[in-house]
Amino acid sequence: DTAVSQTPKYLVTQMGNDKSIKCEQNLGHDTMYWYKQDSKKFLKIMFSYNNKELIINETVPNRFSPKSPDKAHLNLHINSLELGDSAVYFCASSDDRGHTDTQYFGPGTRLTVL
Amino acid sequence: GEDVEQSLFLSVREGDSSVINCTYTDSSSTYLYWYKQEPGAGLQLLTYIFSNMDMKQDQRLTVLLNKKDKHLSLRIADTQTGDSAIYFCAESPTGGFKTIFGAGTRLFVKA
Repeated sequence: DTAVSQTPKYLVTQMGNDKSIKCEQNLGHDTMYWYKQDSKKFLKIMFSYNNKELIINETVPNRFSPKSPDKAHLNLHINSLELGDSAVYFCASSDDRGHTDTQYFGPGTRLTVL
Repeated sequence: GEDVEQSLFLSVREGDSSVINCTYTDSSSTYLYWYKQEPGAGLQLLTYIFSNMDMKQDQRLTVLLNKKDKHLSLRIADTQTGDSAIYFCAESPTGGFKTIFGAGTRLFVKA
């Protein structure tokens, strides 16, 4: 059973296009995240949602719009894609009722903008 | 401010011990974590330590925490080629839905 899943796994597109990445978790967690990992493997948080409410927005351009239709889903829509958006995007979730903030990561979506 | 720093590379021979070091800045962090990322995969929690502990052992893994110096280390005993991966140190400052990750240490294990 996949705990945190993302689709697609790979995404290759032209500059200027609009694309979406989907994320679903079946862990019953209340908090979901989007991270961006660049080519040097630096991992930066982009957004955090708790019970479908935006909690953290880390100065991400407003071309990036997360949407959480329910607690189990957090999708990421990107408008007007730029070369610098090429990266691996990870979705994650955590259980804020637990003692720790252990993050459960999805397998990642490798986005390549040409 | 929030910052987690770790060295970027470590190379060891199979069978040796590996020690990966990390420093963090937020003394309010209740938990500190080590995550492992294998090629082409997401991060997976390896182990964590509660801030009132100074050591935690889990099979081949030993975590040492020096809260005064804000220094965290991960020791892997009898390192195997399967341990080759990127290891991320992370902290969760109290009161936020945010985990701060270090840049990751790439561990290379030579046969």
